[in-house]
Amino acid sequence: AQSVSQHNHHVILSEAASLELGCNYSYGGTVNLFWYVQYPGQHLQLLLKYFSGDPLVKGIKGFEAEFIKSKFSFNLRKPSVQWSDTAEYFCAVIQVSAGNKLTFGGGTRVLVKP
Amino acid sequence: ETGVTQSPTHLIKTRGQQVTLRCSSQSGHNTVSWYQQALGQGPQFIFQYYREEENGRGNFPPRFSGLQFPNYSSELNVNALELDDSALYLCASSLVPNRGLNEQYFGPGTRLTVT
Repeated sequence: AQSVSQHNHHVILSEAASLELGCNYSYGGTVNLFWYVQYPGQHLQLLLKYFSGDPLVKGIKGFEAEFIKSKFSFNLRKPSVQWSDTAEYFCAVIQVSAGNKLTFGGGTRVLVKP
Repeated sequence: ETGVTQSPTHLIKTRGQQVTLRCSSQSGHNTVSWYQQALGQGPQFIFQYYREEENGRGNFPPRFSGLQFPNYSSELNVNALELDDSALYLCASSLVPNRGLNEQYFGPGTRLTVT
């Protein structure tokens, strides 16, 4: 079965620092990849998604992610974080051969200090 | 806001009881998926409904069941509640169950506490 690993459970950084969150998945076939964010007290929201094509995808709020198929990875990056980026971030994968279910990683809590 | 609504917001039940959670999908969406998010963990897929039929199921026992109605709203029913069922239950709607080529839009969740 598909599994998703997020390397860091908690990240603390200062405003203007760069952010990179790791995500690895287990299945080597065709996948669709997502990063979701959950701001305090809010719904899960889609940050960005990869279905096919350019492996470097750009999302909302200055986030981007790079799909590296050979490494089964889909890492999230932001060059300069803001206090408002404090949230929990979830990587999720759809294994296309297994239907439309999202398999989530355990999440990374990011705290940005002003 | 995604247009996906869930009710109730919070619920407290006793072990052994039954519970029904409700979800209204975003306008125009015909597919509803349910996820369980235990504290400190990522959401886990329970099942998905498309055109009123179950369209995929995760690793959850049969006491977790669901329905989808002609207006695409959905219910999640859990029988014989156990303490481990305490979690945030998320509903997500999407347009078609088309091999992932669509986004799932999440509701705010229902926080279930089983005592």
